[in-house]
Amino acid sequence: AQKVTQAQTEISVVEKEDVTLDCVYETRDTTYYLFWYKQPPSGELVFLIRRNSFDEQNEISGRYSWNFQKSTSSFNFTITASQVVDSAVYFCALSEVDAGGSYIPTFGRGTSLIVHP
Amino acid sequence: DAGVTQSPTHLIKTRGQHVTLRCSPISGHKSVSWYQQVLGQGPQFIFQYYEKEERGRGNFPDRFSARQFPNYSSELNVNALLLGDSALYLCASSHAGTSGAPFSYEQYFGPGTRLTVT
Repeated sequence: AQKVTQAQTEISVVEKEDVTLDCVYETRDTTYYLFWYKQPPSGELVFLIRRNSFDEQNEISGRYSWNFQKSTSSFNFTITASQVVDSAVYFCALSEVDAGGSYIPTFGRGTSLIVHP
Repeated sequence: DAGVTQSPTHLIKTRGQHVTLRCSPISGHKSVSWYQQVLGQGPQFIFQYYEKEERGRGNFPDRFSARQFPNYSSELNVNALLLGDSALYLCASSHAGTSGAPFSYEQYFGPGTRLTVT
């Protein structure tokens, strides 16, 4: 069974600080996909990144960066120079194929990030 | 382009009643998925449909059912509502890709329907 753990329930930082959101996953499959989504107070989940299990390259997109390490089953997300607009709940998700051949997603419980001005 | 749309925005029902939630995917997306998000938790997968066929089902009772129409819009039905069904119900659409594996691709979520069961 797949599982996603976001151990940090809530993180509070001051604007311009760097912050890392942790994500640890469990899966028996060799082929799987990892995602990060952002859920602002408005409630609509916003896709941030997708990574497949064969691509361990780290990625940077503006102030966002992701560190994928299969050896530790982690897919951590770092926001550099945080801004108030980054305040949201961030979800890590794992998609793994089930016995029927369909990918089934599992989301973590989310990390609430509060950025103070 | 319009994003994923859901209706209604809010809904209040009584225990034992039935509810139908609706979702229209992004134009060109053939896959629709439904999630239940209880306050303070991550979304839980309910159903996934691709080309009008059920392609995945989460661990939900038979009171939950769904279908997808020829225009790729979808309905989620919940019978015999319980207090515990109170949640934000999210719909997401995605490309299937050549592999036909919708969950291997990013999903685009709608704003959700807030269901309150009293």
